[in-house]
Order: sequence, then structure tokens, then C-alpha cells
Amino acid sequence: AQSVTQLDSQVPVFEEAPVELRCNYSSSVSVYLFWYVQYPNQGLQLLLKYLSGSTLVKGINGFEAEFNKSQTSFHLRKPSVHISDTAEYFCAVQKMKTSYDKVIFGPGTSLSVIP
Amino acid sequence: GAVVSQHPSWVICKSGTSVKIECRSLDFQATTMFWYRQFPKQSLMLMATSNEGSKATYEQGVEKDKFLINHASLTLSTLTVTSAHPEDSSFYICSARAVVRDTQYFGPGTRLTVL
Repeated sequence: AQSVTQLDSQVPVFEEAPVELRCNYSSSVSVYLFWYVQYPNQGLQLLLKYLSGSTLVKGINGFEAEFNKSQTSFHLRKPSVHISDTAEYFCAVQKMKTSYDKVIFGPGTSLSVIP
Repeated sequence: GAVVSQHPSWVICKSGTSVKIECRSLDFQATTMFWYRQFPKQSLMLMATSNEGSKATYEQGVEKDKFLINHASLTLSTLTVTSAHPEDSSFYICSARAVVRDTQYFGPGTRLTVL
């Protein structure tokens, strides 16, 4: 079975400062990795995903993440955050090459950008 | 991009009544749809996986007779909460996976409040 850990439940950061949201996963098989963002009272929006290839993945809104297989991590980064980045961020995994398998979500990290 | 809609976006009902939530993939065909529930300040918990034309697969601990799922077409899945009680109050989110893609697309969610 797969599991996802997001060590930081809340991350406050000042506007225009860099941020890193940590994600570690556990799986006995290869996985796809995702980061989603959820704004208050809304559904989830895909920020970026790692399926294969380059371990550095660029997503929307200036976010990027790096897949590290040896450390089983997929940390999300942004060099300069904006007030509008305040939201809940979820890391997720899915078994590779199984189109019908479920996605497992981490507990989420609440990012608060301080003016 | 792929769009998934949910209807209604919010609903308030009396205890003991049943509520139906619709999930539609607007511009793609989805052989698989997923239903999640999310309690305040928590992550998404998968309730069931629904494949078009077959019975849904429920996660452990989810009552299939209480949460009826129907996936009658490639663009529509419904979740019916039968005999709703206040503890069923939650944010229900659906997602749909396109036939030829590995990414889930999420609906905006439905806020259910049972009085």
C-alpha cells in the first residue's frame, strides 16, 4: 500500500519570500506523484505532476517540485510567494501504470502568506 | 482543459431525507470516477471508485447502502446519501479520469449540511 506524509501541517511565510512544502511517500512499487492546491470552499486544482523523465517538474503559478527516489520525496517549492498563494496544498501518489488505481492524498499543508 | 462539474454546489437538508449529488465530466469521457469526502481542516478521504456500467468499489468503512453510487454513462456519476444524519455533513468532491489520461480532474465540491 502507498502512504503520503506531509510533515508541516501549517507553513506561514512572508510575501515574496521563498517557500518549500515537504512531501514524503512510502510505496513498494513505482508511483506517480502529484501536488494539488485547494482554495477555501473549492475543489482541487492540479499544480504539477511527475510521471516519468526529468526529476524537476514545473507547474502552474510558478511552482516546481523535485522527485527524489532515494529519499522518497517530492517537495514543492516557489521562489517568491504571493498573497494569492494562501491555500491548502496536498501531495498525492498513485501506483504507476495502473489507469484505474486510486490516488492517495497526504494530510495537507496550510500555506499562509503574510503581507 | 478538462472540466468536471458538480451539482448542487451546496445543499441543506433535514435529517432522515436523501440527497443526490451529480458529477459530470463536461468535455471528456470518464470511464472511472471517484468520490471523496472532506471534513473541515482535513484531507480528502476516498469513499468509492466507480466504473461506468459496473458496481462501485467502496473503501473499507464506507457503507454502500448509505452512500449509493451510480455511474450510468461515461460523463455522469451520482452519489446519493440516503437517510442523511448530521454526521454526514461534509464536503463531497468527485473526480473523473479520462479514458486515455493518467490525471484525475476534480469537481468543485458539494457542501452538504444535514440539520
